[in-house]
Amino acid sequence: SQQGEEDPQALSIQEGENATMNCSYKTSINNLQWYRQNSGRGLVHLILIRSNEREKHSGRLRVTLDTSKKSSSLLITASRAADTASYFCATVAYYGNNRLAFGKGNQVVVIP
Amino acid sequence: DTEVTQTPKHLVMGMTNKKSLKCEQHMGHRAMYWYKQKAKKPPELMFVYSYEKLSINESVPSRFSPECPNSSLLNLHLHALQPEDSALYLCASSPVTFDRGHNSPLHFGNGTRLTVT
Repeated sequence: SQQGEEDPQALSIQEGENATMNCSYKTSINNLQWYRQNSGRGLVHLILIRSNEREKHSGRLRVTLDTSKKSSSLLITASRAADTASYFCATVAYYGNNRLAFGKGNQVVVIP
Repeated sequence: DTEVTQTPKHLVMGMTNKKSLKCEQHMGHRAMYWYKQKAKKPPELMFVYSYEKLSINESVPSRFSPECPNSSLLNLHLHALQPEDSALYLCASSPVTFDRGHNSPLHFGNGTRLTVT
């Protein structure tokens, strides 16, 4: 079964606004990863947060992880048209699971 | 551009055809993966190779046959597919598999868009 599951929202925002999407998962994890996928392309890794970390930044990206709630959020600040994509969270379970399992994904459209 | 190269980019095949998808990486990664992705869905794991040995088969039908000839190459042989197998097939690699303490992201190719007629 899928480990990471995002709220199944499609976001449509204006350029310059912030975009926030959430992810929840079911079991203890080693790490949680966020990926971006442009239409018809492969997935590009954005950021990885380990289970002992609570927040991580990378450029305009900010990821938080709350292991007590088994949830994560991805914030994209000052969005650009090029941020239009699908965003997936993915998790590696802590116990006995050698798989990176993807959540449902969020479609983000940034309007110029 | 991605460091994982997949060919062909597009493939149309009939249900009686035999075809192969190819994936290549030169990052020295020893773990390679096949994922299947339907439209507007997340990628679903199919196979994992670790040091050229099949490590995980997610109960994939035998009409899909993976092969890892060497540490840089990964193939997916297709035979007698069904129209519902039409999807984007993604190859990925990582330094080692997660059970070896790997805590790094996967590197994905741009996929092969497969249409079965």
